[in-house]
Amino acid sequence: TQLLEQSPQFLSIQEGENLTVYCNSSSVFSSLQWYRQEPGEGPVLLVTVVTGGEVKKLKRLTFQFGDARKDSSLHITAAQPGDTGLYLCALRSGTYKYIFGTGTRLKVLA
Amino acid sequence: GAVVSQHPSWVICKSGTSVKIECRSLDFQATTMFWYRQFPKQSLMLMATSNEGSKATYEQGVEKDKFLINHASLTLSTLTVTSAHPEDSSFYICSARLPGGQPQHFGDGTRLSIL
Repeated sequence: TQLLEQSPQFLSIQEGENLTVYCNSSSVFSSLQWYRQEPGEGPVLLVTVVTGGEVKKLKRLTFQFGDARKDSSLHITAAQPGDTGLYLCALRSGTYKYIFGTGTRLKVLA
Repeated sequence: GAVVSQHPSWVICKSGTSVKIECRSLDFQATTMFWYRQFPKQSLMLMATSNEGSKATYEQGVEKDKFLINHASLTLSTLTVTSAHPEDSSFYICSARLPGGQPQHFGDGTRLSIL
């Protein structure tokens, strides 16, 4: 069974600070998605990365896919309270279904 | 954009009750839907894949007689938690896959509390 470990598990920072969240797999994956989930809601897709070494930017968020396609990172610059939430990575297992990582719970304090 | 609607958003019921949760794709047809369970402060765990017109595929460790899934149309899948007990209390989330591949779109979840 392919596992996705995320680190750190919890992160509490001050507004304006930078942070990086990591997602590591026990094996190579073809593509990976990052989601953010707020309490009481479903996850919302942020980005999909496909190519090894790929870097994608979404405003203050930078996503990187490892060269060997076994790991990925999410870097947030100048975090804001609105960034608070549960960040999840997910990989496609088989044709259709997705397996989610263990999650990183981020709290940004004003 | 694609929208997935879940109903109800919150349900509280007594132990032994069966509870049905609906997942609808509002503006697209979904041959495949997914049901997840999420315990407090934890990640999403895939329970089963719901296939329109055929039996659902359950993940290892998920009791198919306990969690009944019906996907009778291209826009509706239902999850019934039969004879629910307090340990079944959780946040249940569905997702639907757009035709032709990614991405999957999630509903807003159903919080189930069994007393």
